[in-house]
Amino acid sequence: DTGVSQDPRHKITKRGQNVTFRCDPISEHNRLYWYRQTLGQGPEFLTYFQNEAQLEKSRLLSDRFSAERPKGSFSTLEIQRTEQGDSAMYLCASSPDSHSNQPQHFGDGTRLSIL
Amino acid sequence: AQTVTQSQPEMSVQEAETVTLSCTYDTSESDYYLFWYKQPPSRQMILVIRQEAYKQQNATENRFSVNFQKAAKSFSLKISDSQLGDAAMYFCAYRRGDNDMRFGAGTRLTVKP
Repeated sequence: DTGVSQDPRHKITKRGQNVTFRCDPISEHNRLYWYRQTLGQGPEFLTYFQNEAQLEKSRLLSDRFSAERPKGSFSTLEIQRTEQGDSAMYLCASSPDSHSNQPQHFGDGTRLSIL
Repeated sequence: AQTVTQSQPEMSVQEAETVTLSCTYDTSESDYYLFWYKQPPSRQMILVIRQEAYKQQNATENRFSVNFQKAAKSFSLKISDSQLGDAAMYFCAYRRGDNDMRFGAGTRLTVKP
């Protein structure tokens, strides 16, 4: 079990640029979640996938955000035309299917800084 | 909407002593799950303990235990024999079914040697 892996760990970019993050879940986990965490706050839900299907999206996920999980394995989160307010830690988590009491396993996160 | 409230932004405990972190939540559901996660500085979130709402018995994991009061919608975490490695942000989280988790704002725990 190698855990949830996220890449990159840190991303610094200028306002207006596009960025893409990657998440590799634990291999046997069908569910994959994206969260955003700002300083001093708990994670806020963005979206989640059941295999390759995106089942829910938060209102936090504006039109500039898009997430994919094309083969039901790794996922990408893209932010277009980044804004200062996008600066945050982006966390990915995964969990087994249909076991609600099972915890979500988190990655180390990608810290995004917008200059 | 479900909300999770952690009313203690910061807590401090002496090494080897006991500390209790508070959490309340708001829900109209009867079946749900509650979790405490620990997030050390610059490290990933890890599960500390979990509780199913249908279980009356409070969950226990070694030095960590919860006081689950379903009617009061309260879910506090007790850390016994605190260790330096317990220093971290602690997040209380609520989950209904297979949906996403809702987190509180967190409590920063400092352990004094």
